[in-house]
Amino acid sequence: GGIITQTPKFLIGQEGQKLTLKCQQNFNHDTMYWYRQDSGKGLRLIYYSITENDLQKGDLSEGYDASREKKSSFSLTVTSAQKNEMAVFLCASSIANRAGNTLYFGEGSRLIVV
Amino acid sequence: GDSVIQMQGQVTLSENDFLFINCTYSTTGYPTLFWYVQYSGEGPQLLLQVTTANNKGSSRGFEATYDKGTTSFHLQKTSVQEIDSAVYYCAMSITGNTRKLIFGLGTTLQVQP
Repeated sequence: GGIITQTPKFLIGQEGQKLTLKCQQNFNHDTMYWYRQDSGKGLRLIYYSITENDLQKGDLSEGYDASREKKSSFSLTVTSAQKNEMAVFLCASSIANRAGNTLYFGEGSRLIVV
Repeated sequence: GDSVIQMQGQVTLSENDFLFINCTYSTTGYPTLFWYVQYSGEGPQLLLQVTTANNKGSSRGFEATYDKGTTSFHLQKTSVQEIDSAVYYCAMSITGNTRKLIFGLGTTLQVQP
């Protein structure tokens, strides 16, 4: 089996600050994702990447940057943290197959803006 | 546009009750449909998926049938237990881009002993 590791588990920053979340996977999966989870709003896709150095925007990409430096890692940067962005950020990975993609999620990173 | 709708935000049941969580979807084509479950303090994990219309998926006593006629994928379990307390997400793949999943808002299930 494999694992998705998200760091840090809690990220505390000030308003206007640039903050970065990191994600590592050892599944050797092609595709990686960043989702934002807000209570009552489900999971919303921010960015995904189908291979190293690839980036695809999701529905919520404004205010965020992402980077897929290598196959096993995918980072997400909040370009200017705002208090209304406090949420849990979930990283996931998947491997493409004919039936669709099964996503494997990390435990999440909680963003706190003070 | 593409969407997944879960109307029930919260469901509270007693042990051994019957569970029914409603999910409907809207898209063109033939998406793959999923149910994910998220236990407290963990990330979501796949509960079951169905690729073909009119087929049923099942796992750990949960079942869901892909009904293309009513564009529904409701989740059911005959007898819930306290350990089933979690958030349940219905999701679908996008036709033409199976890597992209759209999730519903989630349904929080609380099972009382």
